[in-house]
Amino acid sequence: GQQLNQSPQSMFIQEGEDVSMNCTSSSIFNTWLWYKQDPGEGPVLLIALYKAGELTSNGRLTAQFGITRKDSFLNISASIPSDVGIYFCAGLSGGYQKVTFGIGTKLQVIP
Amino acid sequence: DAGVIQSPRHEVTEMGQEVTLRCKPISGHDYLFWYRQTMMRGLELLIYFNNNVPIDDSGMPEDRFSAKMPNASFSTLKIQPSEPRDSAVYFCASTPLVYNEQFFGPGTRLTVL
Repeated sequence: GQQLNQSPQSMFIQEGEDVSMNCTSSSIFNTWLWYKQDPGEGPVLLIALYKAGELTSNGRLTAQFGITRKDSFLNISASIPSDVGIYFCAGLSGGYQKVTFGIGTKLQVIP
Repeated sequence: DAGVIQSPRHEVTEMGQEVTLRCKPISGHDYLFWYRQTMMRGLELLIYFNNNVPIDDSGMPEDRFSAKMPNASFSTLKIQPSEPRDSAVYFCASTPLVYNEQFFGPGTRLTVL
């Protein structure tokens, strides 16, 4: 089946620093999604990308859909303590409503 | 809308017991998904329904797991008999017909002793 490689798996950063994480796949996806999961909660959608090359922002978050359709990245600028959590990438392909998730990137922000 | 509702939020049971997890999707959403999350394997899709009909259950680990959706506002995931390796957080998610985004419930943390 399809697999997503998400990196890094965890990271510690100082408050105010920028963060970058990415996902790669051996298969092509039609849609890339980025979710954030807070402790004790379910994942919440941050950004959805629908076209190759698309660059989308949501506040301090920016994500891009790779040209090859096999990768995506998420950047967080000027991190703050509430950015702490696990960030998941996810891809959709031919199975329109079936999503493949990455393993997640656990982000810790040091005040 | 209250979002996706799951119950119980926490469940502790002994090996061999039957466990039933419950989910109420967002009203008007035609798709409902059950996921399992563990540290080792991340989020895994177990089964999903469209208009109350199971479409793909290939992710269900084994016959001990079963899921039903008797109506548009309710679904259950049952494990019988439960085993310690079933310990995980189980999420339910729903999505409208025409959009890709899934909306997740808060999850049920299951511990099987």
